[in-house]
Amino acid sequence: SYELTQPPSVSVSPGQTATVTCSGDALTRKYAYWYQQKSGQAPVLVIYEDTKRPSGIPERFSGSSSGTVATLTINGAQMEDEADYYCYSTNSDSSSWMFGGGTKLTVL
Amino acid sequence: VQLLESGGGVVQPGGSLRLSCVTSGFNFSTYAMHWVRQAPGKGLKWVSIISSDGLNEYYADSVKGRFTISRDQSKDTLYLEMSSLKTDDTAMYYCARVSGGGSSNPDYWGQGTLVIVSS
Repeated sequence: SYELTQPPSVSVSPGQTATVTCSGDALTRKYAYWYQQKSGQAPVLVIYEDTKRPSGIPERFSGSSSGTVATLTINGAQMEDEADYYCYSTNSDSSSWMFGGGTKLTVL
Repeated sequence: VQLLESGGGVVQPGGSLRLSCVTSGFNFSTYAMHWVRQAPGKGLKWVSIISSDGLNEYYADSVKGRFTISRDQSKDTLYLEMSSLKTDDTAMYYCARVSGGGSSNPDYWGQGTLVIVSS
């Protein structure tokens, strides 16, 4: 079955750039979306359609996609950005939807 | 936009449960809806999606044949009927609205309802 693969964890110091990747064969044809989930809270959409940022999401959050890899970048990561980040997409014929395994971002 | 799940609880293996998601603040009948679950300490898992008109449904392989998604347009409410429950179904269950505009991703989420399958 189709899967999206993320690194389990990423760690950066405050002010540094954090990069989270998501790989999947269908990402060459399908958009990636990124969600932030803080402990005990529901997920929040931070990037949609590979590169777009919803209103209210800080400009330090950006997305990109190339080939089979989508990337979430946080420029100048802050302590408040500590969270789990999940990519989301669909398979090639849009009959199944999935999340990546999640990446725990630590800012310390 | 608000989504409020209910119906979670403790159920024995093999049992059944119906989850509800009452929505407000948007035109429910024009949006597809998801159910997504999260086992304790684990990642998000997509469960099911239903089209805005209720005519099309899709399920994750892990719940196919056991779970049924449905909606009541008159009550602005989404449902998830769960049967033959297994301990692996223990999770927080979230309902989420599909953003629309040709996309299938969730945009607004509820706070979740916890389902515990245990003897």
